[in-house]
Amino acid sequence: SAVISQKPSRDICQRGTSLTIQCQVDSQVTMMFWYRQQPGQSLTLIATANQGSEATYESGFVIDKFPISRPNLTFSTLTVSNMSPEDSSIYLCSVEPDRGRQETQYFGPGTRLLVL
Amino acid sequence: SQKIEQNSEALNIQEGKTATLTCNYTNYSPAYLQWYRQDPGRGPVFLLLIRENEKEKRKERLKVTFDTTLKQSLFHITASQPADSATYLCALETDSWGKLQFGAGTQVVVTP
Repeated sequence: SAVISQKPSRDICQRGTSLTIQCQVDSQVTMMFWYRQQPGQSLTLIATANQGSEATYESGFVIDKFPISRPNLTFSTLTVSNMSPEDSSIYLCSVEPDRGRQETQYFGPGTRLLVL
Repeated sequence: SQKIEQNSEALNIQEGKTATLTCNYTNYSPAYLQWYRQDPGRGPVFLLLIRENEKEKRKERLKVTFDTTLKQSLFHITASQPADSATYLCALETDSWGKLQFGAGTQVVVTP
C-alpha cells in the first residue's frame, strides 16, 4: 500500500494566475499519475509523471498548461498555469506501488481548486 | 473511441438488500478491470480487481463478475449497510503501464 498527501488541500485563485500542487508518497514508487475530476464528473487522466524524464500527457492536455515535475521517486508537482474558471476542479495524484504484483492505484485526498 | 458506461442514476436501496451496479465498455480489450469507492471530498479507494480470465471475484460482502464477451462487469454489495453509501467507479486498464480510464460512477444510497 501507499500513503499519499497533497498540498494544498484546497485553494481559491484568481484568473490568470498559476498554482502548483504537491504530491508526496511515503514510499518509492515508479508510476505516478495526475487526474482531474470536474464537478459531478469522473476522473480524467492528465498525465503520467515519469522520474528522470518528461511527463507523458493524455490527449487534450499539454505541458504548457500543466507542467509536471518528478524530481524523485516519492514526490511530484503539477502546476495549473494561466488559470481560468474552467480549471475549477479537484486534482488528484495517484501511485501504483506494486506494479507487476498487484495493479492497484492509491489516490491522494485531492486538491480542490476554485478559479474566480 | 473507447467508452465506459455506468448507471448515472443513483441507486437507492434498503439496508440488508443487495445492490448491483453495472459497468459496460466498448472498444476495449482490457487485461483487468477495477472497482473503486469514492466518498465526498475524498480520493477513490481501491476495492477489487478482476482479470480477463476470471469470471468472479469476492471480498467480504463484495462480488465482482467480468464477462469479456458481453464487455460488462457487475458489482454486487450484499447485505448492504448505510456505511456502504458512496459513489462506486469502475476503471479499465488502457495500457501496460497501468493507465486507467474511469467510468462516471454510480452513487449508492443505503437507507436504514
